[in-house]
Formats: sequence, C-alpha cells, structure tokens
Amino acid sequence: SQQGEEDPQALSIQEGENATMNCSYKTSINNLQWYRQNSGRGLVHLILIRSNEREKHSGRLRVTLDTSKKSSSLLITASRAADTASYFCATDDILTGGGNKLTFGTGTQLKVEL
Amino acid sequence: EAGVAQSPRYKIIEKRQSVAFWCNPISGHATLYWYQQILGQGPKLLIQFQNNGVVDDSQLPKDRFSAERLKGVDSTLKIQPAKLEDSAVYLCASSYTGTANTIYFGEGSWLTVV
Repeated sequence: SQQGEEDPQALSIQEGENATMNCSYKTSINNLQWYRQNSGRGLVHLILIRSNEREKHSGRLRVTLDTSKKSSSLLITASRAADTASYFCATDDILTGGGNKLTFGTGTQLKVEL
Repeated sequence: EAGVAQSPRYKIIEKRQSVAFWCNPISGHATLYWYQQILGQGPKLLIQFQNNGVVDDSQLPKDRFSAERLKGVDSTLKIQPAKLEDSAVYLCASSYTGTANTIYFGEGSWLTVV
C-alpha cells in the first residue's frame, strides 16, 4: 500500500527557479527519505531526515519534516535541466521496528525547462 | 564501487509463462530488497532479506512469486505463472544493514506480460 502522497503530481519550472515538493504520510515514523528516479532508471537516494529532526540540507536540497502534521517538503534551489526526474518520499515506519522497510509515495514528476 | 547489478533489463513474456530475475547486491551489503514498481506508482516492497534469511515477505504474492538468496549474496525473483497485472519494473536494492542505512537501487528489470 502507498503511505505517502506527493503534491503536486507534476511540476514544470524554468531553469534557475526553485522547486518545492510536498509529502504527506499517515503513520508514526523513524525517518523519512527522498529519492530521485530518472526516466527508465533506478532510484537514487537523496537525503534522510530522522523523526527528531526538523530540517536538513544537502547541497541544493533542503528537506523539512513536521511530524505533528505528518508532512515533509523537499526544496531544490536553482534548478537545472538535469534535475528533471520523478521524486519520491519514503517512510520508515515505527511499527516495522526500524528495519529499513520503506513505504514509498506516489511521486512528483519534475520537469525543468531551459 | 560497483552498484547493484540486475538482469535481464527487459523481458516480454506471455501470460501464464514463467520468468526469473537475478540480482547481485553491492559487496558487503547484508540486506537485499526486491521492489515492484508499476508504471506511474511508487515502488512497493515485495521481500526483504537479511543475509540469507527472509525479514519480510508480507506483500509477496506467494501463490505465484518466489525469491531466494542462497549463500546470502545473489538473489533470484521468480514469477510463475505470470499474469497481465505483473507487468512492472522489478527493482533490486541493497543496504549495509537493515537499519536506517542508505538503500542503493539497481536499474531494474522491466517486465511486460502480454
């Protein structure tokens, strides 16, 4: 079953603009992770944020987590054409005992145009 | 460092036929995962191995799907007999352990059942 729901489903921006994607989930979590998937390829891990963290940065990526609202956001700053991909959030639920059993959302398709 | 290797990359079979996918994880990774990703959806965990033991196979359709990880390294996922709804990408992934570690994905095996 899908845990997270990403919003929006699709996003089209111009190169240099910022892209923000949101993820909502339903259960209590150990951590939340974001992945990127280029068309026809496997998933690439971007960033992990633990349940006791509120914000995390990695290069041009900024992730926030609000456990009270059960939501997370991924911000990509100064986007590039190479950022064109699908982005998925994935949760590691407390009920699974922290066994790294991830439940993925439905994804946001980001298109960055030149 | 070599990534997660999967084969074949593409397979087209008729319904009721059988198919097998092979995965070689990153060297030293104890945990291996098989995910199913239907077009337009996020990946869904089918089975998780810790070394050569099954940690979770709650979402594996055991009447037609089977997986093994002999000797705790390579793994094979088999579908027999295949149904039309099995058309998907089968992603193999591995992590160093099964606890809050980065999961590395292979490029996937694309299955079309006609």
